[in-house]
Amino acid sequence: GQQVMQIPQYQHVQEGEDFTTYCNSSTTLSNIQWYKQRPGGHPVFLIQLVKSGEVKKQKRLTFQFGEAKKNSSLHITATQTTDVGTYFCAGQGAGSYQLTFGKGTKLSVIP
Amino acid sequence: EAGVAQSPRYKIIEKRQSVAFWCNPISGHATLYWYQQILGQGPKLLIQFQNNGVVDDSQLPKDRFSAERLKGVDSTLKIQPAKLEDSAVYLCASSLDKASGTDTQYFGPGTRLTVL
Repeated sequence: GQQVMQIPQYQHVQEGEDFTTYCNSSTTLSNIQWYKQRPGGHPVFLIQLVKSGEVKKQKRLTFQFGEAKKNSSLHITATQTTDVGTYFCAGQGAGSYQLTFGKGTKLSVIP
Repeated sequence: EAGVAQSPRYKIIEKRQSVAFWCNPISGHATLYWYQQILGQGPKLLIQFQNNGVVDDSQLPKDRFSAERLKGVDSTLKIQPAKLEDSAVYLCASSLDKASGTDTQYFGPGTRLTVL
């Protein structure tokens, strides 16, 4: 079945440093979504990427979808303490209803 | 707009007991999902409903798990009998319409189940 790998599993950064998490699928995706889960909270939708090579920005967050539609990345510029949480990518395979989540990258920001 | 409601928020049971979780999706959302999130992992889809029909239940352990959405609104997820490895957070999510899954999913607060 479809597998979605995410690295790193953990990342500790000083406030103000940049952060990147990478997502890789075993199969070509029709779309990829990114979610953020605060400690003790539930996943909250951030963005969806559909097109090959697509790049989207939300303030300090930049999302990319690879040309082959098998990988994606989330980059946060100048992290803040409010960025703390676990970031999940979730991919949907072509012709599938199912959204497969990665294991997530847990971000800690040291003030 | 009210979000996805789930109850109970916490449940502790002994193995071999049964348990049921309830979910009320966002009003007007046709698609409802149940996920299992084990500590340190991403959510894993158990079952997806479009209105009151099942779209995908390929990862639902049907020997012990069951789910229904009889009137196309509320849903219940049941585990009978529970095993230790069922300890997890059970998340319900809903989306507006598309069974294709490309619609934004809104998650409820989850039910944290502990099986002793």
